[in-house]
Amino acid sequence: DAGITQSPRHKVTETGTPVTLRCHQTENHRYMYWYRQDPGHGLRLIHYSYGVKDTDKGEVSDGYSVSRSKTEDFLLTLESATSSQTSVYFCATSLRGENYGYTFGSGTRLTVV
Amino acid sequence: GQQVMQIPQYQHVQEGEDFTTYCNSSTTLSNIQWYKQRPGGHPVFLIQLVKSGEVKKQKRLTFQFGEAKKNSSLHITATQTTDVGTYFCAGTNDYKLSFGAGTTVTVRA
Repeated sequence: DAGITQSPRHKVTETGTPVTLRCHQTENHRYMYWYRQDPGHGLRLIHYSYGVKDTDKGEVSDGYSVSRSKTEDFLLTLESATSSQTSVYFCATSLRGENYGYTFGSGTRLTVV
Repeated sequence: GQQVMQIPQYQHVQEGEDFTTYCNSSTTLSNIQWYKQRPGGHPVFLIQLVKSGEVKKQKRLTFQFGEAKKNSSLHITATQTTDVGTYFCAGTNDYKLSFGAGTTVTVRA
C-alpha cells in the first residue's frame, strides 16, 4: 500500500551487527506493529505502538527494540543480529487497533549470515 | 504462542471447484479478521466479522463466524487462478490480535 513504506526492502547483514528497519506511514494511524513471518508460523507480533513514545512487547520481542518518536515512523532495531532473525519483517498500521483491519507494508527481507 | 489454528495448511484445488478453510480458537474471540497474501506479496485485509453466527459475502468468497465465536470459515466457490495465495485468519482476544499460520492455496488449471 502506498501509505506504508518499509525500508530497506532487502538486507543482508552479518551476525552480531545491529540492524534498523524503518516503517513510514502517511495514513495518520495511531497504532503500528512489527511482525515477522516465517514458514509454518504465520505472522508473529514483535512489538507494537499505540501512540508516539508508547510501545509494548509482542510474543517474540527478545533481541528486538523499537522506537516511535513521530506518528509517521516506527523503527525496529535488532540489537545484535543472529541467524534466527533471518525472516521477512512486516510493518502494519491500524486506525483503531486490534478491532479494526490492519494495513501492511510491503515487507523487508532480512538475511543474517 | 498462537491461539488461532487454521486447517488445512495447504489446499490444492482444481480450477472451478469449491473449497473451505477453517479457523479455530480455544478461547472466545471478540472478532475475526481474514487476510489474503499473494505469493511474494504482503497480507491484505479482506473482512472482519464481529457478531455470533455472522455471515458475509464478497463475490465468490463467503465468510462465517461461529455461534460460539470460537471458529470461522472461508468458503470459495468456483476457484480461479486469481485465488492463489495464503489466507490468514486473525482473532482478537484480550485486546491482542493473533494470526493463524495460514492456508496456502494452489490452483490446477
